[in-house]
Amino acid sequence: DTAVSQTPKYLVTQMGNDKSIKCEQNLGHDTMYWYKQDSKKFLKIMFSYNNKELIINETVPNRFSPKSPDKAHLNLHINSLELGDSAVYFCASSHGLAGRNTGELFFGEGSRLTVL
Amino acid sequence: DQQVKQNSPSLSVQEGRISILNCDYTNSMFDYFLWYKKYPAEGPTFLISISSIKDKNEDGRFTVFLNKSAKHLSLHIVPSQPGDSAVYFCAAPSNTGNQFYFGTGTSLTVIP
Repeated sequence: DTAVSQTPKYLVTQMGNDKSIKCEQNLGHDTMYWYKQDSKKFLKIMFSYNNKELIINETVPNRFSPKSPDKAHLNLHINSLELGDSAVYFCASSHGLAGRNTGELFFGEGSRLTVL
Repeated sequence: DQQVKQNSPSLSVQEGRISILNCDYTNSMFDYFLWYKKYPAEGPTFLISISSIKDKNEDGRFTVFLNKSAKHLSLHIVPSQPGDSAVYFCAAPSNTGNQFYFGTGTSLTVIP
């Protein structure tokens, strides 16, 4: 059983479209994250949720909207896609907040988004 | 503003030799560090960690060293194996408890 699963794994779409990436974890974790890995391979935090509440929202355009219907899911919806949104998006989860529980992050396999 | 930095984007090592991957950080308040390993088309997976109260942590072929005064840590893999070829990320949890900071990764190639 996959611990953190994201769908779709690959997504190719046109500029201006709206798309969603889904993430589910079956680890019983209470904190989930979205990270973006850009062309320079830098893993940068976008959002983190703890117990379904938004904890961090980095300087991400408001075209990106996370939704956490329950502790096991954190979906990412992107409106009006732009070329610069092309990247690999990783969902992750952890037990407790980073720093307060020095546990590790468990990552999904990533969703490669290509905007044409 | 990168708080965790890996200045070597790539490293090639002969099988059986030691691989040394380096990481620097700027925030002296970091108290825990982790190394992740990533294969192509997969998510990063946890490899080894170290608390700031220690200067060394060993797990099999993997050892992480921490030099707090230099704000530097390194991952040693010995002996290196071809299956170790991957991208290695250094990371630290933020003190506010809301995220992990990652370095840009070092791509290790172990040559058979």
